[in-house]
Amino acid sequence: KNEVEQSPQNLTAQEGEFITINCSYSVGISALHWLQQHPGGGIVSLFMLSSGKKKHGRLIATINIQEKHSSLHITASHPRDSAVYICAARMGFGNEKLTFGTGTRLTIIP
Amino acid sequence: DTGVSQDPRHKITKRGQNVTFRCDPISEHNRLYWYRQTLGQGPEFLTYFQNEAQLEKSRLLSDRFSAERPKGSFSTLEIQRTEQGDSAMYLCASSLLAGGETQYFGPGTRLLVL
Repeated sequence: KNEVEQSPQNLTAQEGEFITINCSYSVGISALHWLQQHPGGGIVSLFMLSSGKKKHGRLIATINIQEKHSSLHITASHPRDSAVYICAARMGFGNEKLTFGTGTRLTIIP
Repeated sequence: DTGVSQDPRHKITKRGQNVTFRCDPISEHNRLYWYRQTLGQGPEFLTYFQNEAQLEKSRLLSDRFSAERPKGSFSTLEIQRTEQGDSAMYLCASSLLAGGETQYFGPGTRLLVL
């Protein structure tokens, strides 16, 4: 069992819909990252959070430390949001490596 | 600075050959990470450096793999006697200091072993 699990694996939605992608992890972490990967492989870091909630434009990331769960939300989704979204956890303090989920492939249909 | 760069972007090689990839991190970043990503999967950690010191290596990194960061700036990842299972995207990332700093990723090197 992967230490970081994401759901759903694939998500197709109409333009304008509110999108939620979930991430759960099995052990304590020091930080959780949300990343976006476009076709061709380039990865962009969207958020890094260790508690609470962060917002950037139409993207919102939340984390619940007690429940070991994080969500990424996209409001007013747009076809350009189509990408693979990956959550990655830094497992424990002083441990700098990231453990990644398998990613959620999001497709927004115009 | 334009971010993390990797070279080459694509590499096709025959089984048994050696390959070397290069990563140039963002200039002031002292942490550098190597990850491997196979098709349909999330990236997996391989190794990371703080300055020139290699601080951790994954069990995924067999003795055919070696990574260096000789002057604490660019890094190389060498795979000797490549196998078809080595076919993957090799990603490099860098970060400043430690303790939860954002990692900035390069575009990756896609390796295909025939």
